[in-house]
Amino acid sequence: DADVTQTPRNRITKTGKRIMLECSQTKGHDRMYWYRQDPGLGLRLIYYSFDVKDINKGEISDGYSVSRQAQAKFSLSLESAIPNQTALYFCATSGGLLAGLDEQFFGPGTRLTVL
Amino acid sequence: SQELEQSPQSLIVQEGKNLTINCTSSKTLYGLYWYKQKYGEGLIFLMMLQKGGEEKSHEKITAKLDEKKQQSSLHITASQPSHAGIYLCGADMGSGGSNYKLTFGKGTLLTVNP
Repeated sequence: DADVTQTPRNRITKTGKRIMLECSQTKGHDRMYWYRQDPGLGLRLIYYSFDVKDINKGEISDGYSVSRQAQAKFSLSLESAIPNQTALYFCATSGGLLAGLDEQFFGPGTRLTVL
Repeated sequence: SQELEQSPQSLIVQEGKNLTINCTSSKTLYGLYWYKQKYGEGLIFLMMLQKGGEEKSHEKITAKLDEKKQQSSLHITASQPSHAGIYLCGADMGSGGSNYKLTFGKGTLLTVNP
């Protein structure tokens, strides 16, 4: 089974709808991240969490919110989806104990289309 | 401005040819990570470099981090169609040490023609 799973894998929704993307991990990592990927823009960090009680905004958090329900679960919500939130969304985890050794493990991605 | 610059943005090579992808920063990097992504899929970890001058190899892929820890190169020898995909570099750009966040370059799209 995959270490980092994302649901749904694909989603088409309409402008104004609320949508939640879910991420679960079995790696036992404390740190979890949400990114979006757009053609020509690379990966950009939306939110990250270093433990259940620690949630931080990334570089593009406007229009998004997150919830860390447990160590293993980190959800991303779009309260009122808009077309420019159409993108490929990735969840990642990391758990390196030493500074500089912090490989991130990525989920398979969720392709979101907002009409 | 983009903190990590990757070049080239895209690359088309004939099978069997060697190629190099570069990742450059104006800041010292506290960990440089190379990932590969098949189109529309998740990222697969390739290698991590931490020390200035470090070089690592895996099969036909070699990555180096320069002495100043501001530039990394990824070199593929005798490319194969299976090497095709998007290569992304990511780096921890925390000042004074790791801050456990990665900044990514925009990626390099590699096409290998049979």
